[in-house]
Amino acid sequence: EVQLVESGGGLVQPGGSLRLSCAASGFTFSSYAMNWVRQAPGKGLEWVSAFSGAGSTFYADSVKGRFTISRDNSKSTLYLQMNSLRAEDTAVYYCARAVAGTLRGDDCWGQGTLVTVSS
Amino acid sequence: QSALTQPASVSGSPGQSITISCTGTSSDVGGYNYVSWYQQHPGKAPKLMIYDVSNRPSGVSNRFSGSKSGNTASLTISGLQAEDEADYYCSSYTSSHTRVFGTGTKVTVL
Repeated sequence: EVQLVESGGGLVQPGGSLRLSCAASGFTFSSYAMNWVRQAPGKGLEWVSAFSGAGSTFYADSVKGRFTISRDNSKSTLYLQMNSLRAEDTAVYYCARAVAGTLRGDDCWGQGTLVTVSS
Repeated sequence: QSALTQPASVSGSPGQSITISCTGTSSDVGGYNYVSWYQQHPGKAPKLMIYDVSNRPSGVSNRFSGSKSGNTASLTISGLQAEDEADYYCSSYTSSHTRVFGTGTKVTVL
């Protein structure tokens, strides 16, 4: 069974940092592009970042220069390093497996981890 | 990158068909056949319903279908059922090598 489990969320002060992890199982992790998508409380979905199978990375303008996506294929784990956090980064963060090409859609999602940025 | 435009709400009676629109620009929806649709029930993770405009993943009911004309993509749900009541989001690849989601549509089964 394909499974994605996010962790690392929590309460952080504005300007602080946090690293999210997404542990994958049930498929050959290294063969798939992966995405991070977030959802602010009561709001819609927002794409955050992607890591292609070939090693390319992509970012939304809203997080570029502050967030860094990475992956460890030996551990089947995706990461999101978040620096200089702002109140508007408060959201549930989902990791998702790309269905085909890197930026074409996601066929499997984790349950999400909540990040709250507040003083 | 501005969010794609979706109607805030759509409703229908059981058994009816409804269509949700998703309007973008020639730099996203209109420029690529990489539109996907997601269903999200309250408190749950999104579920992929359609990818690449009209492809249905295995396990998704054939009551769900997707199409595109110009800068507008559409998701049609036929034979509406109570379990279809949820939020629906479209998403598209963009010319900036990013993705953009739609504003979301709440589907109500009357």
